Amino acid sequence: QVQLVQSGAEVKPPGSSVKVSCKASGGTFSTHGINWVRQAPGQGLECMGGIIPMFGTVNYGQGFYGRVSFTADKGTNTAYMELRSLRSDDTAVYYCARGRFFDLYHYYYMDVWGTGTSVTVTS
Amino acid sequence: DIVMTQSPDSLAVSLGERATINCKSSQTLLYSSNIENSLAWYQQKPGQPPKLLIYWTSTRESGVPDRFSGSGSGTDFTLTISSLQPEDVAVYYCHQYYNTPHTFGQGTKLEIK
Repeated sequence: QVQLVQSGAEVKPPGSSVKVSCKASGGTFSTHGINWVRQAPGQGLECMGGIIPMFGTVNYGQGFYGRVSFTADKGTNTAYMELRSLRSDDTAVYYCARGRFFDLYHYYYMDVWGTGTSVTVTS
Repeated sequence: DIVMTQSPDSLAVSLGERATINCKSSQTLLYSSNIENSLAWYQQKPGQPPKLLIYWTSTRESGVPDRFSGSGSGTDFTLTISSLQPEDVAVYYCHQYYNTPHTFGQGTKLEIK
């Protein structure tokens, strides 16, 4: 059974950037897209967008275009999310999750989720 | 982006009773190619990532108890727990994967009355 293992917790100052990794253990990304979903403390799930590593195609959630980058290394089965110009309201747990793709830009429901990465933005 | 709206925001149900959560999308989630609705439900407990319960509106993920069921079509969907158990206390989210970016409902917190 594939697992998505994410990088460790981060503490960052406002205005800086953070890069979170998501590695598939026991499987590959060859048939899946990766969504990035964040959850602020006590709040709901917010989809930031994602990438289909096989094609390199990306999509962006509302409000994230221009501030976030999604990349993937097919050789190591690792996906990355970089968020720039960090603000205090970016403090959240960031999850990656996989969904099987069915065309260049679209993928299905998320059946496997990462462990989550806590990002705290504080001066 | 497709907007997903759940109701209610919170719900208290007695053990053994039925719990019903609704989800409405701002546009149809029905694929003409396979006549399926691109709607999933997740359960999230504190400190854990979300867990997939149901996809394609009504298909239970492997291992999910049959007291969980999903229904609906087009823009209106429902998650039903037929007989609430203590381990069902959680927040439940609907999720559309009809189009990217994917979007979620705001969540429904389910508690024991």
